[in-house]
Amino acid sequence: NAGVTQTPKFQVLKTGQSMTLQCAQDMNHNSMYWYRQDPGMGLRLIYYSASEGTTDKGEVPNGYNVSRLNKREFSLRLESAAPSQTSVYFCASTQAGGQSQPQHFGDGTRLSIL
Amino acid sequence: AQSVAQPEDQVNVAEGNPLTVKCTYSVSGNPYLFWYVQYPNRGLQFLLKYITGDNLVKGSYGFEAEFNKSQTSFHLKKPSALVSDSALYFCAVRDTGNTPLVFGKGTRLSVIA
Repeated sequence: NAGVTQTPKFQVLKTGQSMTLQCAQDMNHNSMYWYRQDPGMGLRLIYYSASEGTTDKGEVPNGYNVSRLNKREFSLRLESAAPSQTSVYFCASTQAGGQSQPQHFGDGTRLSIL
Repeated sequence: AQSVAQPEDQVNVAEGNPLTVKCTYSVSGNPYLFWYVQYPNRGLQFLLKYITGDNLVKGSYGFEAEFNKSQTSFHLKKPSALVSDSALYFCAVRDTGNTPLVFGKGTRLSVIA
């Protein structure tokens, strides 16, 4: 089982460059999420998609856009990367009726902005 | 709004001793509570959850957690720690709405041989 797959695993960008982080899940989950993890900050929600065709802002959406391409795929785009966006980005998904269900996570994309 | 607090950034325990990682929460209704573990360079892995019922929940790798409604706590426990339990542990909560999980800042557990 692949679960949640994130690409790329590592990326270095220059300030001002754009980048799309890809996420795909093969568990037929309805809801998908993007988090960033910074030292001492835990996981902070950037955007989420409760179901195909919907997206909502999380705690830290500024500087990011998302696209729920289909049920399987949820991408995160940095239009003009800034050093403050250096972080580890995690995608997660949850099945339908998700209140009592755990989120399943990918292994992350480690992004450095120079 | 829901929130989670993990009051300890770091917990050190000797191998074979019992371990406890603390978590307190705040939600407007009944909580759905989760514990996750993160090993280096990996994503978060689900350990256990509390939805309703027995206050003591058993999960993966010998971990368990005790739900205490009056103290709004959900502490993670294991009777005998292993060196391989060394990792970063996250507590998370959501209320009964269809809202995303809210995570604590994490507690780093070091088990010393």
